Amino acid sequence: ETGVTQSPTHLIKTRGQQVTLRCSSQSGHNTVSWYQQALGQGPQFIFQYYREEENGRGNFPPRFSGLQFPNYSSELNVNALELDDSALYLCASSSEQGSGETQYFGPGTRLLVL
Amino acid sequence: DQQVKQNSPSLSVQEGRISILNCDYTNSMFDYFLWYKKYPAEGPTFLISISSIKDKNEDGRFTVFLNKSAKHLSLHIVPSQPGDSAVYFCAASANTGNQFYFGTGTSLTVIP
Repeated sequence: ETGVTQSPTHLIKTRGQQVTLRCSSQSGHNTVSWYQQALGQGPQFIFQYYREEENGRGNFPPRFSGLQFPNYSSELNVNALELDDSALYLCASSSEQGSGETQYFGPGTRLLVL
Repeated sequence: DQQVKQNSPSLSVQEGRISILNCDYTNSMFDYFLWYKKYPAEGPTFLISISSIKDKNEDGRFTVFLNKSAKHLSLHIVPSQPGDSAVYFCAASANTGNQFYFGTGTSLTVIP
């Protein structure tokens, strides 16, 4: 059973650019949530995808968008990058929509915006 | 607006003693609370949870207490072990929803 993987592990972009982060969910999981963790903060919920549909969104602007594919892997896209987008981006997969207990996190992608 | 707060950024405890990590929340709609543990370069992992119908949940060395009137929960680790050294996050959700609100974390160091 493979765990949740994320790519890339680190990324440097400049302000105004666009970035795509990827997440492979754990085998058998159909739900993926994305979180942003700024330095010194806890993870903040961006959105969740369940069976390829967005299923809840946190307080993030539309330039944060996502996709979930038929194999339940997922992408997070951020357009028009801002300096404040520098953070650790975590994805978490689960087999149920609302269960924090069965939510498995990946190691994250650290994004630096210059 | 931080709806879940962990006011102690760090805590040091001697091996074998009790570790108490605290968490406060402001949203009275929260009814499901969790603790996660995070090691460096890894994602958070689920540790223990409690629903608002209970005031205590125990799992081995870990016990979570919930005081709804004070909007406060705490995690007790007894006895503390060096392997418990990690960052601990509390998280909450409302109406079994899928949006979890996290605190800022407490870094626990257990001294051998």
